[in-house]
Amino acid sequence: AQKVTQAQTEISVVEKEDVTLDCVYETRDTTYYLFWYKQPPSGELVFLIRRNSFDEQNEISGRYSWNFQKSTSSFNFTITASQVVDSAVYFCALSEESSNTGKLIFGQGTTLQVKP
Amino acid sequence: NAGVTQTPKFRILKIGQSMTLQCTQDMNHNYMYWYRQDPGMGLKLIYYSVGAGITDKGEVPNGYNVSRSTTEDFPLRLELAAPSQTSVYFCASSWGGSLHEQFFGPGTRLTVL
Repeated sequence: AQKVTQAQTEISVVEKEDVTLDCVYETRDTTYYLFWYKQPPSGELVFLIRRNSFDEQNEISGRYSWNFQKSTSSFNFTITASQVVDSAVYFCALSEESSNTGKLIFGQGTTLQVKP
Repeated sequence: NAGVTQTPKFRILKIGQSMTLQCTQDMNHNYMYWYRQDPGMGLKLIYYSVGAGITDKGEVPNGYNVSRSTTEDFPLRLELAAPSQTSVYFCASSWGGSLHEQFFGPGTRLTVL
């Protein structure tokens, strides 16, 4: 069965610290897509990144980086030199190619608090 | 482009009342979705649609109905509101399929008392 687990419920760091948000997934599909979304205090969900199962290259975008490892079924998200504006709930999500509907299976979310 | 819009932003219902949550997108997306988010939980899929006239159940469809008469609109109907339906409801749309990211509306916070 498909599942996404974000074991860290809440993380609190001080500004400028690096922080890694963990995501572990389960799927029987060989083709699937992984996503990260950010939900700031205002409540909307903002798309951050998509990764397909055939592309294990790590990705860096500014202070954000993502580490995808199929061997451990993990898709972790690191924020370097965190800032107060990074405070939000972060969701990891999975979409399986076999459904062909784009249905997203979300993890429980990790609440990140960055203190000044 | 307004993206995905949802109305109302907030609503309080009494048990047994009915209401429709509106969702409209102006990106000409074929695929649309309704999710609910309960406190401390991730989003769960209620219903989805892959095009006008086509809808299907998601993970938690009980107590809800949808229709998709146009590409732009995907309303969610609650027929007999129950306290268990207290949640934040998000509508989303995408170009289609598992490859594409979904664009989310701002959400509707619903309380059933």
